Amino acid sequence: GAVVSQHPSWVICKSGTSVKIECRSLDFQATTMFWYRQFPKQSLMLMATSNEGSKATYEQGVEKDKFLINHASLTLSTLTVTSAHPEDSSFYICSARDQRESYEQFFGPGTRLTVL
Amino acid sequence: QKEVEQDPGPLSVPEGAIVSLNCTYSNSAFQYFMWYRQYSRKGPELLMYTYSSGNKEDGRFTAQVDKSSKYISLFIRDSQPSDSATYLCAIPKTSYDKVIFGPGTSLSVIP
Repeated sequence: GAVVSQHPSWVICKSGTSVKIECRSLDFQATTMFWYRQFPKQSLMLMATSNEGSKATYEQGVEKDKFLINHASLTLSTLTVTSAHPEDSSFYICSARDQRESYEQFFGPGTRLTVL
Repeated sequence: QKEVEQDPGPLSVPEGAIVSLNCTYSNSAFQYFMWYRQYSRKGPELLMYTYSSGNKEDGRFTAQVDKSSKYISLFIRDSQPSDSATYLCAIPKTSYDKVIFGPGTSLSVIP
């Protein structure tokens, strides 16, 4: 099956610093990648959708200047949390889709971010 | 009314029991329905998907859709401790990019 990896799996940083999370599709080319945020015991909240080579589409209420998304290749997307604050602490999960006309998303293992 | 609703549980059953997990949705136009399983501190993995009404079986898992009631179910037969996870229903909205996830039901299968 399609495999998506994320790095790092967990990160602790100081308030005010920036953190970059990588999402890679290992055995397929991802035409579209998605970034989600998940709080404890809550469902996935879509933050943004990115297509390779174009700007990400952010969901309402998600600050694009704070959560920078780059999808530079068909196998790599990055999410940078800029000037992180404790309220940004969360579980960030990416997913990828290998076909434009497909509902199925393959999820990465997630990255737990803790901002002190 | 939320677009997709799901009882968060937690649901605790003995090993070997039949488990029924359910979601309701509000938009009768939805056609495609998915179930994901998420282990603690891991990303979700697709379990099953169904299109329109009816049943679909895969091993111990059966997905059922009742469009007239806007109700979808996932049944797990002969439940195992390894089935302990959170189960999320997921329904694409108007396009391939918009998938609505239910809040998930936490399941514990006790040996």
